[in-house]
Amino acid sequence: KQEVTQIPAALSVPEGENLVLNCSFTDSAIYNLQWFRQDPGKGLTSLLLIQSSQREQTSGRLNASLDKSSGRSTLYIAASQPGDSATYLCAVRGTTSGTYKYIFGTGTRLKVLA
Amino acid sequence: NAGVTQTPKFRVLKTGQSMTLLCAQDMNHEYMYWYRQDPGMGLRLIHYSVGEGTTAKGEVPDGYNVSRLKKQNFLLGLESAAPSQTSVYFCASSYDRGPWGYTFGSGTRLTVV
Repeated sequence: KQEVTQIPAALSVPEGENLVLNCSFTDSAIYNLQWFRQDPGKGLTSLLLIQSSQREQTSGRLNASLDKSSGRSTLYIAASQPGDSATYLCAVRGTTSGTYKYIFGTGTRLKVLA
Repeated sequence: NAGVTQTPKFRVLKTGQSMTLLCAQDMNHEYMYWYRQDPGMGLRLIHYSVGEGTTAKGEVPDGYNVSRLKKQNFLLGLESAAPSQTSVYFCASSYDRGPWGYTFGSGTRLTVV
C-alpha cells in the first residue's frame, strides 16, 4: 500500500532564504507526482506535475525533482517571499490497477517571515 | 474557464439531516473524486468515478453515497449526517488514469452539530 510522507511538518524561514521541502513514497510504481499549494481555508492549487520518466520540472522560482527509484521528491523554492506562506502537499499517482488514484502526504506548513 | 465548481461552499447541518454536495467540471474529464480533509489526517478518498454511470469506494466510504448520472457532475450524499462527518470536502477531476494531474474544486466546509 502506497504511503506518502512529508518532512518537515512545519517550517519557518526568513524572507529571501532558499528552501527545500521533502516528499517520500513507498511504492515506486507511479505515473506521476504532483505538488500542490493550499492557502488557509482554501482549495488546492497545482504547482508542478512530474511524470515518472522525468527528473525535474520548473516553474518560476519553484523546482521539483523526482527520484523514482529511491521514492523521493523535493520541492525547491528560491528566494522565498512572505506570499509563499502556505501548506505544500505532494501526491503520487500509482500505476497498479486500483491504485491509480492520488495518495496524498499530510503536507508541510511553510511560514516565510518578512 | 470554470474548471471544477463545488456547491455549496459552506453548510451547517444538524445530526441526522441529509444533504447533497455537487461537483461540476467543464473540462470533459472522465475521472472524478471526492476527498475529505481533516486536521492531521491529510486528504482521504471517499468515493470516485471512472466514467459516467460508474462509482467506486475509496478509503472512507461509510456514511456517504455518490452518483455520476452525467459526465460533468459528481454528487456526494450524506443520508444521515453525524458529527464525525464535520470536515472540508474537496472534489477533483482528471482525464483518466494516465499521466494527467488532478484539478481541484475550492471545497465545501461542512459542520454537523
